Formats: sequence, C-alpha cells, structure tokens
Amino acid sequence: RKEVEQDPGPFNVPEGATVAFNCTYSNSASQSFFWYRQDCRKEPKLLMSVYSSGNEDGRFTAQLNRASQYISLLIRDSKLSDSATYLCVVGAARSGSARQLTFGSGTQLTVLP
Amino acid sequence: ETGVTQSPTHLIKTRGQQVTLRCSSQSGHNTVSWYQQALGQGPQFIFQYYREEENGRGNFPPRFSGLQFPNYSSELNVNALELDDSALYLCASGDRGGEREAFFGQGTRLTVV
Repeated sequence: RKEVEQDPGPFNVPEGATVAFNCTYSNSASQSFFWYRQDCRKEPKLLMSVYSSGNEDGRFTAQLNRASQYISLLIRDSKLSDSATYLCVVGAARSGSARQLTFGSGTQLTVLP
Repeated sequence: ETGVTQSPTHLIKTRGQQVTLRCSSQSGHNTVSWYQQALGQGPQFIFQYYREEENGRGNFPPRFSGLQFPNYSSELNVNALELDDSALYLCASGDRGGEREAFFGQGTRLTVV
C-alpha cells in the first residue's frame, strides 16, 4: 500500500464546475500536509497548506481529518487555467531530523471550455 | 519564481555512466532535498542535506549520493546509471529539516539510453 494515495483521475470537467480531490495517508505520525500543483513538464508548486481547521484560498478549500487520515481539496468555479496535476503531500519526521515529504501520484485535472 | 535553480535542464547519458546534477537553493534556506519523479508518478524522496550533512534518506541505493556546500548549494551524483534512472530530478530547498513547504527548482530531465 502506498503511503499517500490519491484518485488517479483523469478528471475532465466543464468550466465553472466544482471538483473534489481526495487523498488518504497511512503514517499516523504525519505532521504537515499540503496540496501542490504541477503543470505538464514543470516543477511542483505549492498550492496551499492544509490544517485541521480547514482552510480556504479563493476558490480552493482544503480539509484535513486526522482521525480518518484523509485530506481533500475542493475547487469551485473551475477555470481553464486550473488544468494541471494536483499532488497530495504529507510531511513526517524520518531518520535523523529530516521532515520527509511524501507525495501521492497525483490527480490529473482537465477543465474543458 | 522560487529562486531555486538547477542545472543542467536536460541531459542524456549512456547506461553505466555517472552523472552530477546541481542545485542552488533559495536565499535563506539551509536544507536541500532531492526527489526523483518518474513519468506519471509523484516525486520520490532521495535524500536531504542540512548544513552539509545528510539528514535523511529514502529508499534509493548507495549509487545515489550527494553533497551540500557551505553556501547550501548541492549536488546529486548517480553512478552506474541504469535505464530506470531516466526521470525528472527535482531539488527543493526549505528551512531546517523541511519544517514547512518545500520550494522546487525547475528540475533536470535525465534520459539514460
């Protein structure tokens, strides 16, 4: 079983749609949680951090449920420019004092005109 | 832009050769992590360097090695290249131990033939 699991997609949605991505993680000692966005053949870029209280940034809302070890990302009123791969990322202490980031395989989103 | 730069951007090597990839971290960041991203997968943690010492390692063989310099720039060395080493190699800089999110360079795309 992978440490971080995501719906692989692809998700093809029309402009203006609401789309939700889900992610589960297996390491209960995980301490930090993020969503990254990766455009085709580019590097991942931080979309938002995820907190237990939930957080919102414009059209994007992220939720964390530590008890269920579940993370979600909701995109409202999707735009063509939202087309990308969305990576669920979990941070946990590993050997030494490093906080290793573990990435899911990503969920591909295509927003259609 | 993150301020993290990697070189070269693209590289083609022959199986059995050795390769060195370079990364300059963002100003103020003393931690550098390296990731390997195969096509269609999320980035996989290779190792992390903090203040010139290895500070955590993922599930990669010893032929993957690294260095961090006093200015916090870093190198990834891969010996005895195999075809499966073909991937996007990402460098990410952050604060101590990766407490917060990582900031990625644009990556080096390595092709082993």
